[in-house]
Amino acid sequence: QKEVEQDPGPLSVPEGAIVSLNCTYSNSAFQYFMWYRQYSRKGPELLMYTYSSGNKEDGRFTAQVDKSSKYISLFIRDSQPSDSATYLCAMKGGSYIPTFGRGTSLIVHP
Amino acid sequence: NAGVTQTPKFQVLKTGQSMTLQCAQDMNHNSMYWYRQDPGMGLRLIYYSASEGTTDKGEVPNGYNVSRLNKREFSLRLESAAPSQTSVYFCASSEALREGNEKLFFGSGTQLSVL
Repeated sequence: QKEVEQDPGPLSVPEGAIVSLNCTYSNSAFQYFMWYRQYSRKGPELLMYTYSSGNKEDGRFTAQVDKSSKYISLFIRDSQPSDSATYLCAMKGGSYIPTFGRGTSLIVHP
Repeated sequence: NAGVTQTPKFQVLKTGQSMTLQCAQDMNHNSMYWYRQDPGMGLRLIYYSASEGTTDKGEVPNGYNVSRLNKREFSLRLESAAPSQTSVYFCASSEALREGNEKLFFGSGTQLSVL
């Protein structure tokens, strides 16, 4: 079992839908939780990050961490075709190297 | 703002050939990384360098070597390419964030095919 599990999708939704992307993990030492967005034929870019548990909101995006369940989520409200990309969760503990999930491919169709 | 620059963008090799992937960053970052990305496998760490003069193995180092030439440059070498090394390769550097986290900056990738 990988330390970080993420369903690769693809997830296809209509424009305007609320999208929920999720990852589970097994390492209790993870303290930092990140979401990277990767457009086709590009490198990933950091979208959001949170420290420990709780929620963080940035515009249409909300990152949520539930350490008791070892479960993190990224919600996208009012999804747009421009949100179509692969979303990778990443986690790290202390000074360790970030561990990435496999990425979920999201398609938002007009 | 160049950020992280990788060369070449595309490469086709025959089995057994060697090549070096080049990576340079202009953000004065200490840490640099090499990842490979395969369909359904996500990003897998090949090697990383926490600072100039140091390198360490990641999850999938077999068949690769690296050189941290200076603070800016971190190269990845395939000594004898194999079809299993067909992949997209990403170089990254990282910036320390508050609270002990870090932000990775990725290059645009090198698409490598080994025939």
